[in-house]
Amino acid sequence: QQQVKQSPQSLIVQKGGISIINCAYENTAFDYFPWYQQFPGKGPALLIAIRPDVSEKKEGRFTISFNKSAKQFSLHIMDSQPGDSATYFCAARVTGSARQLTFGSGTQLTVLP
Amino acid sequence: DTEVTQTPKHLVMGMTNKKSLKCEQHMGHRAMYWYKQKAKKPPELMFVYSYEKLSINESVPSRFSPECPNSSLLNLHLHALQPEDSALYLCASSQERVGYEQYFGPGTRLTVT
Repeated sequence: QQQVKQSPQSLIVQKGGISIINCAYENTAFDYFPWYQQFPGKGPALLIAIRPDVSEKKEGRFTISFNKSAKQFSLHIMDSQPGDSATYFCAARVTGSARQLTFGSGTQLTVLP
Repeated sequence: DTEVTQTPKHLVMGMTNKKSLKCEQHMGHRAMYWYKQKAKKPPELMFVYSYEKLSINESVPSRFSPECPNSSLLNLHLHALQPEDSALYLCASSQERVGYEQYFGPGTRLTVT
């Protein structure tokens, strides 16, 4: 019940296209959903995050869509660029869980020039 | 400033060596974390410190020994490691009571020979 399922495992998109990564969860106690971007040899960087009281959050080219009833959330990268090529992890956290994050398995995104 | 620094960047050690990893943040965060990350996998939580006290130990072998000398510093002492302990070791920090954002350092790439 603590799992966060992420798909696809890998994604190839043409420059200028839209990249979409999906995550699903079972635990309704999750109340914070961040996305992390990780380049090879670097630590994960917090990209954008959402709480379940909103259905969408947008920051620049990155948008999180959240569907509470379906227990799903997704990351959309608009106008994808080669510099966006990285591994993306969704995550979730339970209120009062001593700040533990449950990570998805990751999506390796490649944006072709 | 959302920077978490880690030293060294790379470390190669033999199975009989003793070494330490260091992490530092100056964001006033009172929660600090150690994660282990294998290639193409999400980070796995090892330890959590809250107000310089160990609050979570995720059943980590005793050959890994964490230490939090003060609110800005976090160490991970290593001894008698095994080759399977080779991984990227990530430090992260977050505010204790306000917000949920965890900020990761760049990691230390550890190779055990």
